[in-house]
Amino acid sequence: NAGVMQNPRHLVRRRGQEARLRCSPMKGHSHVYWYRQLPEEGLKFMVYLQKENIIDESGMPKERFSAEFPKEGPSILRIQQVVRGDSAAYFCASSPEAGGTEAFFGQGTRLTVV
Amino acid sequence: GESVGLHLPTLSVQEGDNSIINCAYSNSASDYFIWYKQESGKGPQFIIDIRSNMDKRQGQRVTVLLNKTVKHLSLQIAATQPGDSAVYFCAENIGGNNRLAFGKGNQVVVIP
Repeated sequence: NAGVMQNPRHLVRRRGQEARLRCSPMKGHSHVYWYRQLPEEGLKFMVYLQKENIIDESGMPKERFSAEFPKEGPSILRIQQVVRGDSAAYFCASSPEAGGTEAFFGQGTRLTVV
Repeated sequence: GESVGLHLPTLSVQEGDNSIINCAYSNSASDYFIWYKQESGKGPQFIIDIRSNMDKRQGQRVTVLLNKTVKHLSLQIAATQPGDSAVYFCAENIGGNNRLAFGKGNQVVVIP
């Protein structure tokens, strides 16, 4: 049973370009969470999704950021018109249930905006 | 507001000794807590969890203690090994939907 798979592991984008980060949850998990980690800081919650639904996006910036988890395929975190401040590690986690259960994390995508 | 914070930024420990990492939380409504270990360049790795109806939980070489009165969480690692060198985060479950609030992390350095 493969763990949470994220790709790409590293992504370099020029300012103004779009970044697409993909996350495939563990088999049997229908709950996906995206977190952002700045250097030497803890992870910050961004968004919580179930299949085809955004449940909680209270941690998402209001502009340029969007997330989806379609019926088929991985969850996508999309950042439009990237800026230097978007450079960070983005982690995806999945869990089989909504609360009070272990969330498994992927290895992350390290986004560098140049 | 919600916040989870760690008391000590760096802990140096001799190999074979026990390690204790502390964490304070402020949301008294939180009912589920997790300790994660993060090695350089990797994602957080689950270590142990505890629910608010418990005071103590033990795993393999690790023990988590929860003191709800003072909103304090600790992780004890027995017989620390070089492979335990990492950053340790406590996380608090917010809102019962697995949205986690993480502390800033505590670096543990094991001295051989």
